[in-house]
Amino acid sequence: AQTVTQSQPEMSVQEAETVTLSCTYDTSENNYYLFWYKQPPSRQMILVIRQEAYKQQNATENRFSVNFQKAAKSFSLKISDSQLGDTAMYFCAFMKQNTGTASKLTFGTGTRLQVTL
Amino acid sequence: NAGVTQTPKFQVLKTGQSMTLQCAQDMNHEYMSWYRQDPGMGLRLIHYSVGAGITDQGEVPNGYNVSRSTTEDFPLRLLSAAPSQTSVYFCASSWGGRDSEQFFGPGTRLTVL
Repeated sequence: AQTVTQSQPEMSVQEAETVTLSCTYDTSENNYYLFWYKQPPSRQMILVIRQEAYKQQNATENRFSVNFQKAAKSFSLKISDSQLGDTAMYFCAFMKQNTGTASKLTFGTGTRLQVTL
Repeated sequence: NAGVTQTPKFQVLKTGQSMTLQCAQDMNHEYMSWYRQDPGMGLRLIHYSVGAGITDQGEVPNGYNVSRSTTEDFPLRLLSAAPSQTSVYFCASSWGGRDSEQFFGPGTRLTVL
C-alpha cells in the first residue's frame, strides 16, 4: 500500500513571497503519478500540478512548480509570488500508473496555507 | 457541460436512516470514485468503478454500497447511517490511462445525529 505524508499542518506566507510545501510518499511502484490539489474555502478540489514519475523534468504551471526527487520519494510544491487567492488547503496525492487504478488516489493529510498582506 | 455534479449539497440524517448520495458526470468518463474527507485525515477512497457494471472497494468501504448501471451515474448508498459517517463526500471521474486527471464534484456535507 502507498502512503503520503505531509508534515506541515499549517503554513503562512506574505503576499508576493515564495513558499514551499513538503510531501513525501512511500511506494514499491516504479510507475506512478503525483499530484497537488488545492481546496479553497469553497470546498472544490482543484488540480494544481501533476508529475509523471518517469519524467525527470520537474513540472511547472505558471507560479507553481514542483521539486520531484524520485530516489528520496519527495514531491514538494513551490508557490512563487504568492497571492491572497492561494489561501487554501493543499493536498499531495499519489496514483499508480496501471489500468484500473486511475480511480484510486491516495491523499496526504493536507497543509493549510494562509497568505497574508 | 456541467462536469461532475453531486446532490444534495447538505444533508442531516438520524442514526439508522438510509439515503443515497447522487453523482453524475457528463464527460463520458469511464472511471468514477467516491471519497470521504474527515478533519486531519485528507480524502479516503470509499468505492470506485472502472466502467458501467464494474465496481470495487476502496480503503474505507464498510457501511456503503455502490452500483454503476450507466456511464454517467455513480450513486453512493448508506443503508443504515451512523455518526461515524458524518463527513464531506466527494465524487470524482476521469478518463483513465495516461490522461489521469480526476475531476471532482462540489461535495456533499453529511451529518448523522
